[in-house]
Amino acid sequence: DAGVTQSPTHLIKTRGQQVTLRCSPKSGHDTVSWYQQALGQGPQFIFQYYEEEERQRGNFPDRFSGHQFPNYSSELNVNALLLGDSALYLCASSRGQYNSPLHFGNGTRLTVT
Amino acid sequence: AQSVTQLDSQVPVFEEAPVELRCNYSSSVSVYLFWYVQYPNQGLQLLLKYLSGSTLVESINGFEAEFNKSQTSFHLRKPSVHISDTAEYFCAVTHSGAGSYQLTFGKGTKLSVIP
Repeated sequence: DAGVTQSPTHLIKTRGQQVTLRCSPKSGHDTVSWYQQALGQGPQFIFQYYEEEERQRGNFPDRFSGHQFPNYSSELNVNALLLGDSALYLCASSRGQYNSPLHFGNGTRLTVT
Repeated sequence: AQSVTQLDSQVPVFEEAPVELRCNYSSSVSVYLFWYVQYPNQGLQLLLKYLSGSTLVESINGFEAEFNKSQTSFHLRKPSVHISDTAEYFCAVTHSGAGSYQLTFGKGTKLSVIP
């Protein structure tokens, strides 16, 4: 039973560029959440997708956008990258119920130079 | 809005000694509470959760946490730690009402078990 898979594992981008991160949820899960974990910090909620729509959004600018596909996989897009966007980006999947436990992937390490 | 404070950023402890990782939360509504563990270069794994019922919750690997509503705390304890428990531990909260889908995490506590 495959868990949550994220790609790529590492990525280096230049300030001002755009990046797309990908996530495949655990089998049987239909909800995908994205979190940003800066160095030495806890994860911060970016947004959650359910039924191909953004269901809730954290305190992140519009440069952060996402998408969920019919097979429940998801993408996180970040435009106009800033140095401060350097972080570990974690994808978590769950079932539709709001208190369903999150299963996290191993993350994508994004470095912006 | 909720917030989580993990009072210790690093906790060194000798193998087979007991440990307590402290977590306090702030919320104006009823909450669900979680502890996650993160091993190096990995994502987070759910360790245990409090949703309702008994205030003492246990994990399969010997950790336990107690929900204390009056003190707004959810401290994590283990009576005897092992080298393999070395990891970073995150406390998280979400409010228990419908319509809340985000977890708010603390900054984490790095547990180092010394042989």
